[in-house]
Amino acid sequence: ILNVEQSPQSLHVQEGDSTNFTCSFPSSNFYALHWYRWETAKSPEALFVMTLNGDEKKKGRISATLNTKEGYSYLYIKGSQPEDSATYLCAFNYGQNFVFGPGTRLSVLP
Amino acid sequence: DVKVTQSSRYLVKRTGEKVFLECVQDMDHENMFWYRQDPGLGLRLIYFSYDVKMKEKGDIPEGYSVSREKKERFSLILESASTNQTSMYLCASSFRQGSLDEQFFGPGTRLTVL
Repeated sequence: ILNVEQSPQSLHVQEGDSTNFTCSFPSSNFYALHWYRWETAKSPEALFVMTLNGDEKKKGRISATLNTKEGYSYLYIKGSQPEDSATYLCAFNYGQNFVFGPGTRLSVLP
Repeated sequence: DVKVTQSSRYLVKRTGEKVFLECVQDMDHENMFWYRQDPGLGLRLIYFSYDVKMKEKGDIPEGYSVSREKKERFSLILESASTNQTSMYLCASSFRQGSLDEQFFGPGTRLTVL
């Protein structure tokens, strides 16, 4: 059974703080690593798809890095805003299907 | 705009009832998936389908079945609901197997079995 872990489980930050969290995944059979944002009462939405070791992706204040050799990815949020409050999911794509991590629940306090 | 819809946002059923959860996508995607989300656990795959009338078991298929009679519709069936099936159920679709394509999710159905 493939295991994907995320840490921390939850996080509370003040508006304006920068933050980061981690996704750990198997380093074998790697196809892609996906990050999703899941806001309360909404559908999970894709943030990034990352495929190459050393990949860095950026969308506004959010960025992500990928290390496939050691099996981890970091998600960074610069200058957190209340609208960033959500659960952030990573998903390990091994070509056939996805294995999701349990998520990191971020709360940004105004 | 890409859309995956689920028939109900909230559902309350009694133990032993037969439950149908419907999912429809309008993107002509080949792949469709059913997951459940429980606190502290990642999305766990129940069943998936790569084509009409095709289905494959995911990681936790026990107690569930599925139906895909049309490309756009994927139904999850709980033959005899039990309290341990109380959960958030998410449907997703993607373009094709083995691609880098993201999965598109519906809004979820929160099912409570009493």
